[in-house]
Amino acid sequence: GAGVSQSPSNKVTEKGKDVELRCDPISGHTALYWYRQSLGQGLEFLIYFQGNSAPDKSGLPSDRFSAERTGGSVSTLTIQRTQQEDSAVYLCASSFGQGRNQPQHFGDGTRLSIL
Amino acid sequence: GESVGLHLPTLSVQEGDNSIINCAYSNSASDYFIWYKQESGKGPQFIIDIRSNMDKRQGQRVTVLLNKTVKHLSLQIAATQPGDSAVYFCAENKNSGTYKYIFGTGTRLKVLA
Repeated sequence: GAGVSQSPSNKVTEKGKDVELRCDPISGHTALYWYRQSLGQGLEFLIYFQGNSAPDKSGLPSDRFSAERTGGSVSTLTIQRTQQEDSAVYLCASSFGQGRNQPQHFGDGTRLSIL
Repeated sequence: GESVGLHLPTLSVQEGDNSIINCAYSNSASDYFIWYKQESGKGPQFIIDIRSNMDKRQGQRVTVLLNKTVKHLSLQIAATQPGDSAVYFCAENKNSGTYKYIFGTGTRLKVLA
């Protein structure tokens, strides 16, 4: 499809397990973002990739969170030793460049539930 | 599926009426703004954007108004339809090529038949 694709759409796992979330951005979009969305909260920035530049990881909440973007396209967000507070919707977005006049296009997210 | 934003402020309107959703943005240096629509179980969908050199911008059935004096943004939806039911939130971005946006928590719009 032409939009941002995320998988899995839902993930239920036990506390302490590792999870891997995948994002396939819109073709040609150089910028890729990961966000976390919790009930009643605004989008929480996690990490940003732009082309071949070093990613901005300033939003990652702990060292259990990491992300990669291979070949400037697909990205994977990994959460190690999951905790119940990690339960949320994880959204990926991509844009054609950065900054002004470059709206982000979002996937439908991965709904992560930690038991 | 899971519903995002169960405790959001809610605006209920009759089908066919106009809707006005408001957003107070936080940074006086922000110069680019976006409205997103998020339906249950879906990701945010871009609706309309506006730059700070404009006060008003119109799209198809939607109008965004920007009041920089009071840092206020509004989204007007004309002839609201059942398919407009969703959470709406604004996003602001500061110039100078920054990629970081600030997102509002949103307003839930319910369209009554």
